[in-house]
Formats: sequence, structure tokens, C-alpha cells
Amino acid sequence: DVKVTQSSRYLVKRTGEKVFLECVQDMDHENMFWYRQDPGLGLRLIYFSYDVKMKEKGDIPEGYSVSREKKERFSLILESASTNQTSMYLCASSFDRALGEKLFFGSGTQLSVL
Amino acid sequence: RKEVEQDPGPFNVPEGATVAFNCTYSNSASQSFFWYRQDCRKEPKLLMSVYSSGNEDGRFTAQLNRASQYISLLIRDSKLSDSATYLCAVPPRDNYGQNFVFGPGTRLSVLP
Repeated sequence: DVKVTQSSRYLVKRTGEKVFLECVQDMDHENMFWYRQDPGLGLRLIYFSYDVKMKEKGDIPEGYSVSREKKERFSLILESASTNQTSMYLCASSFDRALGEKLFFGSGTQLSVL
Repeated sequence: RKEVEQDPGPFNVPEGATVAFNCTYSNSASQSFFWYRQDCRKEPKLLMSVYSSGNEDGRFTAQLNRASQYISLLIRDSKLSDSATYLCAVPPRDNYGQNFVFGPGTRLSVLP
């Protein structure tokens, strides 16, 4: 079974802190994604990556950056956390870019910025 | 029109009922769609894919209405364990790649 592991289930940070959210997948997937999920807004794509050292902006990249130095690991960085970044963050991966490929999600990180 | 729209619900139905919800999309060129199920405080998991011919898996049927630009999910003989939020996912605007757009989800509660 594919496993997508997010480093923390719950995280509490202060405004202005630099925050790292880590995601690791164990099935040699090409693609990795970071979403945030907020009530009433659903899943919104922040950044994604189709290859090592490659990144593309999603729909809401402002205030975030990402790093993909190794194929299995995709990190989301909040350079200076703000209260409006309090959210559930979900990492996902998929095998390749074929249209029918499904996403496998990690269990999420609930981030609270105080 | 938003890219993907869903009725947030909640849909409260008794056990054994049949329930259906729709997901409308704006990109007329979209070709493949997905329904994900998300339990409370859990990650989404793929329920079904939907192509032009529709898809059926046990009590679940997913259909595509291309003319009206919506996909539907029908659940027959609802079980308590079907209580969850159902998210639809539609392809990216260029129909290539994996950066799907998700709807906000429809919450279903199956009551005893």
C-alpha cells in the first residue's frame, strides 16, 4: 500500500515563525502536492511538483514556498507564519501525469498560528 | 461560475435510503473526474473515477452528464458507515497533469 507520511499531526506556531511541513511518500511517485483545506472552501492547491527540484504554483501560493530535493520528500515552508495560514494541510502524491491517476493523501497536519 | 460546485449539505438520510448528489464543473473540455470520500478528521480517499460511460461499484454509481456539465454520485441502501464528506475532483484547465480542482464537498449523515 502507498504510504504518504506527514511529519506532524498537530502543530502550533506563533505569528512570524518560519514553519516547515514535511511529507514523505514511499512508492517512488513522480508527483507530489500540497493542499490546504478550510471549512466551506474545500481543498485548495498551494504548490505541486512533477520532478525533483521542480515546482509549480497552484491556486494559492502566496506566503508559501516548497522544496523537493529528493523524489520521496516534498516540504512546504511558511516563511513567516500568519494567523490566516491556520488550516489543515494535506500532502498528496500520484504515480505519473496520466489523467486517470489517483491521488494518495497523507493524514494531514492541523496548523494553528497564534 | 465557479470551477467546481457542490451542495455542502448536510444530507441527512435514514439507513437504507437512496441518496444522490451532484457536482457541477465549468470546464467543458474536462474528460475524467473523481469522487473522493473524506471521513471526519481524516484524509480524502478515492471512491470512484468517472469517465464518459459512468461507473458502478456495488451500491455506488457515478455518472457524467457532459451536456449539463455535472457528475453525480448515487448511493443505494445507505449504511451508517457511508456518513462522510464526498468531494468531487475535476481535471486541471489544460486537461493534462494532476493538479485537480476539488469541490468543497457534500456532507452525508446516515441516521439509524
